Parts: sequence; C-alpha cells; structure tokens
Amino acid sequence: AQSVTQLGSHVSVSEGALVLLRCNYSSSVPPYLFWYVQYPNQGLQLLLKYTSAATLVKGINGFEAEFKKSETSFHLTKPSAHMSDAAEYFCAVSGGGSARQLTFGSGTQLTVLP
Amino acid sequence: KAGVTQTPRYLIKTRGQQVTLSCSPISGHRSVSWYQQTPGQGLQFLFEYFSETQRNKGNFPGRFSGRQFSNSRSEMNVSTLELGDSALYLCASSTGHNQETQYFGPGTRLLVL
Repeated sequence: AQSVTQLGSHVSVSEGALVLLRCNYSSSVPPYLFWYVQYPNQGLQLLLKYTSAATLVKGINGFEAEFKKSETSFHLTKPSAHMSDAAEYFCAVSGGGSARQLTFGSGTQLTVLP
Repeated sequence: KAGVTQTPRYLIKTRGQQVTLSCSPISGHRSVSWYQQTPGQGLQFLFEYFSETQRNKGNFPGRFSGRQFSNSRSEMNVSTLELGDSALYLCASSTGHNQETQYFGPGTRLLVL
C-alpha cells in the first residue's frame, strides 16, 4: 500500500522568502512522485514529477523538489515566494498495483504575506 | 492542444436523485480517471477507464459508476445521492501508459441538498 504525508496543513511565508513544503511517502515499490498545485475553484496543475531519472527535479514557476530515498521524502522548495504562489499544494505517489492511480496527501495551503 | 474539459461546472441536486458528470480528455489520451475531493477526506480515487474498459476502481460504493465511450469521453454517474456526496469531482486524462502524467480538468462541483 502507498501513502503520502504532508506535514503542515497551513504554511505562511513572506514574499521573497524561501518556500518549503514537506512530503513523506510510503511505498512498497519504487515510487513515482508528483507535486500538484490547486488554485481556488480550479483543478490540479502539475508542478513537477519524479520518475527516477534524477533526484533533483525542476518544475514550473521556479519550484523544485529533491527525492531522498533514505528519508522517504520529496519536499517542495522555491527560493523566493511570490504572491501568485498562494494556493493549495498536493503531493502524490503512484505505483504498485495500478501505476496510474494517484494517492494524494492531505494538502498544504500556502499563504504568502506581503 | 485543448485541456481536459468537464461539464457541468456546478450542479445542485437533492438527496435521492441521480447525477451524471461528463469529462472530455485531451485529444489522443485514452485513459480517464475520476477523483472525489472533499474537505474531510481529501482527494480520493474513484475509478479509471481505458479504451472503454474500467481498469481500476477505488473504494467507493456501487452507487458510483462510470463509463467511457469510443472517443475516450467519459461519464460518471452517482445514483441515490446522499449529502456526503457533495464534493468537487475531478477528471484526469493521460495516455494510459504507466507513470504517465495525469492532467486534470477544472472539476464539477456537486452540492447535494
């Protein structure tokens, strides 16, 4: 069985500060990991995806994430927050019985303070 | 390429009614998955269709069903609606190959009164 834990349901940062959103996963098989972002009243937009090609994954809008197998983590970072980054962020894992079924974390609401 | 489209965007129903939601995947995508998003349970996988066949199913009661047409468009049906079915229903499409990215539509927000 697979699972994802996102630490911190709400994170607040100041504009220009580092963004760090935490994700830990559990998987019995080599995982594929994703970060999605959801803006109000919208669907999910893919930020980045880990597929074992490289442990440091760069995504859109300046986000990146590092896969650490020893820590079973896939934390999302951005060096400098922008007001437009305010949204809800979801970490997800796929693999196992159905590689196309995504298991999501509970989400982290990011607030960016001026 | 046009993205995933879902209709309707908003829906209000009463308990006991049934509802059908529609999803049109990205052109060329043959896999459509459905997810339910609620504040209490988060994002949960409902089922996946590929080439008109249900390929995978989540842990939802039989009131939730779906189908896929030959043009890959998919519909999801919920019968005998309950208050707890109020949610955002998201559809995602992909090529259908393992580990391929799923692209999500804007969702249909269902309110059951």
